[in-house]
Amino acid sequence: GENVEQHPSTLSVQEGDSAVIKCTYSDSASNYFPWYKQELGKRPQLIIDIRSNVGEKKDQRIAVTLNKTAKHFSLHITETQPEDSAVYFCAATSSGFQKLVFGTGTRLLVSP
Amino acid sequence: GAGVSQSPRYKVAKRGQDVALRCDPISGHVSLFWYQQALGQGPEFLTYFQNEAQLDKSGLPSDRFFAERPEGSVSTLKIQRTQQEDSAVYLCASSLLGGPSTDTQYFGPGTRLTVL
Repeated sequence: GENVEQHPSTLSVQEGDSAVIKCTYSDSASNYFPWYKQELGKRPQLIIDIRSNVGEKKDQRIAVTLNKTAKHFSLHITETQPEDSAVYFCAATSSGFQKLVFGTGTRLLVSP
Repeated sequence: GAGVSQSPRYKVAKRGQDVALRCDPISGHVSLFWYQQALGQGPEFLTYFQNEAQLDKSGLPSDRFFAERPEGSVSTLKIQRTQQEDSAVYLCASSLLGGPSTDTQYFGPGTRLTVL
C-alpha cells in the first residue's frame, strides 16, 4: 500500500521568510496530493492540492510542486506570517482507492 | 453552507464501555470517511462509504470497531469494549463525488475519545 514520508517534523522561521515542506510517496499510481493545515484542537483544513497531470500549482503565498518521476511533492509558503503557525500534513491517494494516506506532519512556527 | 459536523466533541469512557460517535456530512456528499488521529500523528484511515455502501473497511483496527451509514447520509462509528489504546481523535470527512474520482475531502472537528 501507499506510504507517505514527510520532513522536517518541525520548522521554525522568522516572519517574512519562506518555508518548504517535503513529502515522498511510494505508490506510483497515486494521482492526488492535498495539503492540510491543522491548528491545535481544530479540524484539518485543505489549503492546496495538486493532481498528477500538473507539475505546479500556486495560490497567493502558497505553492505546491510535484515530481512524479521522483515521487515527491513539496509545499512552499512565501512571506510567512505568524498566523501560518500550525501543523501541516501532506497526503496522497489514487483513483479507485479514495482513502488519503497522510504524512506525519510538520509543525511550523513563524516568529514575529 | 454547513460543514461536516460531529458529536459528541468529547467523550470519556471507562475501559470496557461501548461508545458511538456520530458524523453529519455536508448535504449531498456521496463519500464519507472515518479517520483516527493519535496525539501528534497524522490521521489514519479507518473506513469509507459511498452512499450507504461500505466499500473499504481495511483500516478498522479490530472487530470491536463497526461503522454504518444506513441511509447514505449520517454515519455512526461504534467502538465496543473500549480499550485505552482507542484513545484518539476520530475525524469524519466527506466529499462530493464517489466512484473512481478523487475529490476534496472536508473534515469535521473530530471527537476526542479518552478511555480511562
